[in-house]
Amino acid sequence: ILNVEQSPQSLHVQEGDSTNFTCSFPSSNFYALHWYRWETAKSPEALFVMTLNGDEKKKGRISATLNTKEGYSYLYIKGSQPEDSATYLCAREGSNYQLIWGAGTKLIIKP
Amino acid sequence: EAGVAQSPRYKIIEKRQSVAFWCNPISGHATLYWYQQILGQGPKLLIQFQNNGVVDDSQLPKDRFSAERLKGVDSTLKIQPAKLEDSAVYLCASSPSGRVTDTQYFGPGTRLTVL
Repeated sequence: ILNVEQSPQSLHVQEGDSTNFTCSFPSSNFYALHWYRWETAKSPEALFVMTLNGDEKKKGRISATLNTKEGYSYLYIKGSQPEDSATYLCAREGSNYQLIWGAGTKLIIKP
Repeated sequence: EAGVAQSPRYKIIEKRQSVAFWCNPISGHATLYWYQQILGQGPKLLIQFQNNGVVDDSQLPKDRFSAERLKGVDSTLKIQPAKLEDSAVYLCASSPSGRVTDTQYFGPGTRLTVL
């Protein structure tokens, strides 16, 4: 059974500080990794889809890296703002090519 | 472009009652997903439709859950009868073609509380 683990479970960060968190997954038969942001009372929103080892993607102050050989991805947020408060979810494809989701990292930005 | 619509947003029912959720995906999207997200866990795929056919329903508790996607457009998910452990957020998503690299576009979800 494919397990996707995210750490930490929750994170409090001071406004203006930078932060990062981790998504770990089995490295065998890798095809794609997704990152989503889910703000309270809103729809989950796609951030990145990553497929290649060594891939780096960037969207404004948020970036992500991918290491498929060791089975992890990092999400970085530079200069955190209150609007970054959300749960960040990652997902990897499973044996039947459906997405298997981690439980998320809940990020709270303190003003 | 209109996003994925879901209704209702919230529902509270007693155990053993029935409930239905509705989803209207983004126009033109072939693939529709229903997920169950229990507090503290990641979303779990319940069923995936490609047009009006079922691609995967391996994690759908078929003794109590059913879903349909008539005419390959909108979809309903039903629970009958509900149990306490069905309390969760039910998310609907759609994607253009169902490829694993496709972005999935989510609705706002339905928060179900079973008492």
